[in-house]
Amino acid sequence: GEDVEQSLFLSVREGDSSVINCTYTDSSSTYLYWYKQEPGAGLQLLTYIFSNMDMKQDQRLTVLLNKKDKHLSLRIADTQTGDSAIYFCAERGDSGAGSYQLTFGKGTKLSVIP
Amino acid sequence: SAVISQKPSRDICQRGTSLTIQCQVDSQVTMMFWYRQQPGQSLTLIATANQGSEATYESGFVIDKFPISRPNLTFSTLTVSNMSPEDSSIYLCSAGDATYEQYFGPGTRLTVT
Repeated sequence: GEDVEQSLFLSVREGDSSVINCTYTDSSSTYLYWYKQEPGAGLQLLTYIFSNMDMKQDQRLTVLLNKKDKHLSLRIADTQTGDSAIYFCAERGDSGAGSYQLTFGKGTKLSVIP
Repeated sequence: SAVISQKPSRDICQRGTSLTIQCQVDSQVTMMFWYRQQPGQSLTLIATANQGSEATYESGFVIDKFPISRPNLTFSTLTVSNMSPEDSSIYLCSAGDATYEQYFGPGTRLTVT
């Protein structure tokens, strides 16, 4: 079955850039997502990228996709203490039946040091 | 974007009882899903809630334990039946539409004693 892998922890200093990496195995992935989960909260959709794109930028967030290596990254510029959270990578395969099921990684806990 | 609410937000239940979680979306959506997030873990898909028909369950989840209803395009319920402490988790509802964006509710934090 599909698998999504992420490193579990990342620590950065406030003001630096954060890069969270993700690898996936499903070559038929059509969309890849980044979600943010703050303590005690649900999941917030940050951004997503279609598999025929290699980059997407949205304010401080930059998503890079290397489809050949099945590698996805999320860069957060000028990281702030409010960015401290768990970041989940997720992929949606093409089941051909219109399914929107997502497969999630285990999440990367980002800690921002003031 | 879709705004999703869940009720209750949290509950403490005794083993052997059942809890029904409600999920309401502020707009009509094509797909609704139920996920479980065990403490410190990632999300695991329980089932796809199909409007007007039986839910589609993932491996390891069965209808008798997790009955699901979806009477219309904006509402779904998940029941956790005959609960045991192993069912203590966060249960999350999500919804997706034709734009491929998928949104999540705030979750229901369930503790079974």
